[in-house]
Amino acid sequence: QLQLQESGPGLVKPSETLSLTCTVSGGSISTTNNYWGWIRQPPGKGLEWIGNIYYNGSTNYSPSLKSRVTISADTSKNQFSLKVNSVAAADTAVYYCARRRVNYPVDYWGQGTLVTVSS
Amino acid sequence: DIQMTQSPSTLSASVGDRVTFTCRASQNIATWLAWYQQKPGKAPKVIIYKASGLESGVPARFSGSGFGTEFTLTISSLQPEDFATYYCQQYSTFPLTFGGGSKVDIK
Repeated sequence: QLQLQESGPGLVKPSETLSLTCTVSGGSISTTNNYWGWIRQPPGKGLEWIGNIYYNGSTNYSPSLKSRVTISADTSKNQFSLKVNSVAAADTAVYYCARRRVNYPVDYWGQGTLVTVSS
Repeated sequence: DIQMTQSPSTLSASVGDRVTFTCRASQNIATWLAWYQQKPGKAPKVIIYKASGLESGVPARFSGSGFGTEFTLTISSLQPEDFATYYCQQYSTFPLTFGGGSKVDIK
């Protein structure tokens, strides 16, 4: 059974960089046709897709965040990561890591981690 | 970007009611649409894929339909565990986009 677990600081100061890691167990992030991605949800609001990294290393990002976001993978640790630069209060959200396969929606989610941007 | 618009944003219903939600896409997405159920404090869970495919383990009272730009999610007989928020998502084209959500609460 695939499991995903987010980790990283729960509090980040404005203008700094938010960094989160997703550790995958029960399967390899190198498995073909898998996308590994990040989705966030501000408190009391809806879901926002941030971006993903494909099993072959290619990436896709939301245009609204593209200038500030980097998603990378470390296959040796079976992890993938999210960095968001120059954060502001509007970046406060629960961040989920997730897996989806080609031509299929997200079927595995992490439990989510709340990141608060505040001084 | 493809915009996804859900209605209603909130729906008050009783156990046993038939409820229907609508999701509209700003462009043709064929059947590349999913529905998710989210309960407070939990990650979303996919219930419908490819517009009408029932995810494994999801009760048959859930059904989806639609093609192109108009889609519906129907719960044939609302159960207590179905009170939640439902989101549609298109996965036809990057960036993937979600609708704003439809919350079902107790009448």
